[in-house]
Amino acid sequence: AQSVTQLGSHVSVSEGALVLLRCNYSSSVPPYLFWYVQYPNQGLQLLLKYTTGATLVKGINGFEAEFKKSETSFHLTKPSAHMSDAAEYFCAVSKYGNKLVFGAGTILRVKS
Amino acid sequence: DGGITQSPKYLFRKEGQNVTLSCEQNLNHDAMYWYRQDPGQGLRLIYYSQIVNDFQKGDIAEGYSVSREKKESFPLTVTSAQKNPTAFYLCASTDWGALGSPLHFGNGTRLTVT
Repeated sequence: AQSVTQLGSHVSVSEGALVLLRCNYSSSVPPYLFWYVQYPNQGLQLLLKYTTGATLVKGINGFEAEFKKSETSFHLTKPSAHMSDAAEYFCAVSKYGNKLVFGAGTILRVKS
Repeated sequence: DGGITQSPKYLFRKEGQNVTLSCEQNLNHDAMYWYRQDPGQGLRLIYYSQIVNDFQKGDIAEGYSVSREKKESFPLTVTSAQKNPTAFYLCASTDWGALGSPLHFGNGTRLTVT
């Protein structure tokens, strides 16, 4: 069965610092990978996705993620954190059809 | 604008009552999903439907029921058999035929049962 592990339920960074949110997946076949962001009391918004092709994926709001098959990882990064980036971030994987399996989420706090 | 509408945003019920959460989409998507979100547990799949008049159980279907009579609508009923119904419920949809197509989410319904 597929699973997703997000390392760190809470991450705190200073404004302007690098954001790194970690995601590892288990899958017996190449997966489709996604990062979503959720602001309080709202639904999830797609940040970026990896399906095939280039392993470095650029998303909205300056975020990007790199698919590393050898490490079964899909970590999310942003060079410089902004206060508006404070939210909860979810990594997800799908294999069969489009039924996603989500990680437990990482809450990002940005300090001024 | 196309999107997914969940209503109501907040719902309060007494224990022992059934309650139905609404989800409507105008994205012309075939597939629709219901997820439950609890703090620290991510999203867990309750039910999903790939086509009208057909649906499948997800990982935590006990105590829930759904129907899919129209392509646009996928209501979720939380029954009195659900032992811990207080949670944030999210509806989503996608184009089932396009592999790797992302889910589009509604803004959720927060259900509180006392």
